[in-house]
Amino acid sequence: GAGVSQSPSNKVTEKGKDVELRCDPISGHTALYWYRQRLGQGLEFLIYFQGNSAPDKSGLPSDRFSAERTGESVSTLTIQRTQQEDSAVYLCASSVRGGGLYNEQFFGPGTRLTVL
Amino acid sequence: GQQLNQSPQSMFIQEGEDVSMNCTSSSIFNTWLWYKQDPGEGPVLLIALYKAGELTSNGRLTAQFGITRKDSFLNISASIPSDVGIYFCAGRETSGSRLTFGEGTQLTVNP
Repeated sequence: GAGVSQSPSNKVTEKGKDVELRCDPISGHTALYWYRQRLGQGLEFLIYFQGNSAPDKSGLPSDRFSAERTGESVSTLTIQRTQQEDSAVYLCASSVRGGGLYNEQFFGPGTRLTVL
Repeated sequence: GQQLNQSPQSMFIQEGEDVSMNCTSSSIFNTWLWYKQDPGEGPVLLIALYKAGELTSNGRLTAQFGITRKDSFLNISASIPSDVGIYFCAGRETSGSRLTFGEGTQLTVNP
């Protein structure tokens, strides 16, 4: 497809289980971002990948969160030992490159995570 | 850290009315963005602003990048029912890539 895709669209898990969320960026986009959106709130930055550079992990809330990206394509966000406070929509975005002007991010539809 | 204050939190208006929302920041940004989010979807970019004082229109939408680089507003004129949704401002610092988002303005348009 032409846009950013994410899977699954919904994920329900039990407290303590690990989950993996997937993002397919727009083809040719070198930069990829993960955000978290809690109910009724704005988006919180989690992590940013740009090409082969070391990722900016400064937004990850704890060491239970990690993310990987294969080259300039798919990324997975992993949450280990999920807690109820992790319940949120996880949004992925991509841009042609990282930083600079006129280089805006396009968002996927998100994965709604519910931790019981 | 950075904070974006977006107001109002929610608005209930009649179809045809104009609406205005704004964001202020504790930091200077080199880019201000306005997004709209529909239920179950990711945010969609409406307007991007790159220069202090810049006023940009996109159809019935008009947005401005404040002179101080710490604020921006979005106006919607002659609202229609499909304008319903959550509007977010977002800013980017001079040397960064990450966006900082406001808390959103929930707009309801009564036909």
